[in-house]
Amino acid sequence: EPEVTQTPSHQVTQMGQEVILRCVPISNHLYFYWYRQILGQKVEFLVSFYNNEISEKSEIFDDQFSVERPDGSNFTLKIRSTKLEDSAMYFCASSGFSGSRNEQFFGPGTRLTVL
Amino acid sequence: KNQVEQSPQSLIILEGKNCTLQCNYTVSPFSNLRWYKQDTGRGPVSLTIMTFSENTKSNGRYTATLDADTKQSSLHITASQLSDSASYICVVSPTGSTLTFGKGTMLLVSP
Repeated sequence: EPEVTQTPSHQVTQMGQEVILRCVPISNHLYFYWYRQILGQKVEFLVSFYNNEISEKSEIFDDQFSVERPDGSNFTLKIRSTKLEDSAMYFCASSGFSGSRNEQFFGPGTRLTVL
Repeated sequence: KNQVEQSPQSLIILEGKNCTLQCNYTVSPFSNLRWYKQDTGRGPVSLTIMTFSENTKSNGRYTATLDADTKQSSLHITASQLSDSASYICVVSPTGSTLTFGKGTMLLVSP
């Protein structure tokens, strides 16, 4: 069964450093998403991406964040200058459709720890 | 502000028993409501998706209900198994693509 994969599973970085989180969505999906979950809190939407453009983004997704689909298979989330409060689990998701019945398939997540 | 509230926060039941989890939401506009299962340290897995016109949706031992008038939903799990131990998250979509998550109900099924 096709699945969303994410690398690395755990990333440790120093405050102020740039990190890139990588995701490989399900191959025939067209819509891509990033979410984050701070330990003990709810999952929060960051950004959605379609046709090489950001479709929607939340207040969390500020200028420190960017997304890219560099090669037609990978979907990346870059954090330019990490802060302590960026420590969280980051989930990538993909779906084949938009609208009310788009089932989003989530990856296993990358745990980001900022020291 | 769009909110999704779930209760109880946590629940312990004996294997084989049934349970019902609750979700209230204030998300508007409303496109659909989903229930996800999230194992510890893993990504959420979709259980059901319901639009405002659907009252109930089943997926095996999971049955979700939706009352769009009162903005309430429930997830009923029958004949619980040890593998049902997880967080169950109610998720409401205002637009059809962005998702607003609840904090989840942590279910522990005990042998």
